[in-house]
Amino acid sequence: QSVLTQPPSASGTPGQRVTISCSGSSSNIGSNTVNWYQQLPGTAPKLLIYSNNQRPSGVPDRFSGSKSGTSASLAISGLQSEDEADYYCAAWDDSLNGHVVFGGGTKLTVL
Amino acid sequence: QVQLVQSGAEVKKPGASVKVSCKASGYTFTGYYMHWVRQAPGQGLEWMGRINPNSGGTNYAQKFQGRVTMTRDTSISTAYMELSRLRSDDTAVYYCARLGYSSSFPHYYYMDVWGKGTTVTVSS
Repeated sequence: QSVLTQPPSASGTPGQRVTISCSGSSSNIGSNTVNWYQQLPGTAPKLLIYSNNQRPSGVPDRFSGSKSGTSASLAISGLQSEDEADYYCAAWDDSLNGHVVFGGGTKLTVL
Repeated sequence: QVQLVQSGAEVKKPGASVKVSCKASGYTFTGYYMHWVRQAPGQGLEWMGRINPNSGGTNYAQKFQGRVTMTRDTSISTAYMELSRLRSDDTAVYYCARLGYSSSFPHYYYMDVWGKGTTVTVSS
């Protein structure tokens, strides 16, 4: 049982816009920023979004993040086949001595 | 370029210990915390803890307290994660990840560089 809650799966067709939610509490998302990671099959996770809505250099602007209260969202517009991957949200948790908590992950399928 | 190179796959028996290494290059090793994250087969990411390579100070997830030890050797820019009293459910891929931060203030922190992972299999 992960501290942050994500839907286990999401799907969309090429060109479509999809969103992935991440729900937490006041001690994690409510008081800290959210990072998102993309994990392509058989590879290590890769930083996709940091500080709720910032993209590292090299990440396409099709990816965007937002946060409101104790929830965050990742949006992918203009969906492409190479976006098929697992997506994880993460945040620090003040109730756990500043430990990092992850969401359970969302498997995105491009139909 | 900035990279983290992890040690090779391990097969261990229940009750044994495993020590995974993570060699950093391309940046100042002591300037960034190192985190360890594991992923069981078909499961999600699980945070294990972190080490401050400068001071050696550590912070472990409660689940692993008493079984995990994170250390570093600054002379060779290498971090280590040792897990003892292994069980079958410790079978996983173990990742090290650098904790990067934004350049402007306030700083925001994120795992920006990851190793390729070390597969640890626990089986009798």
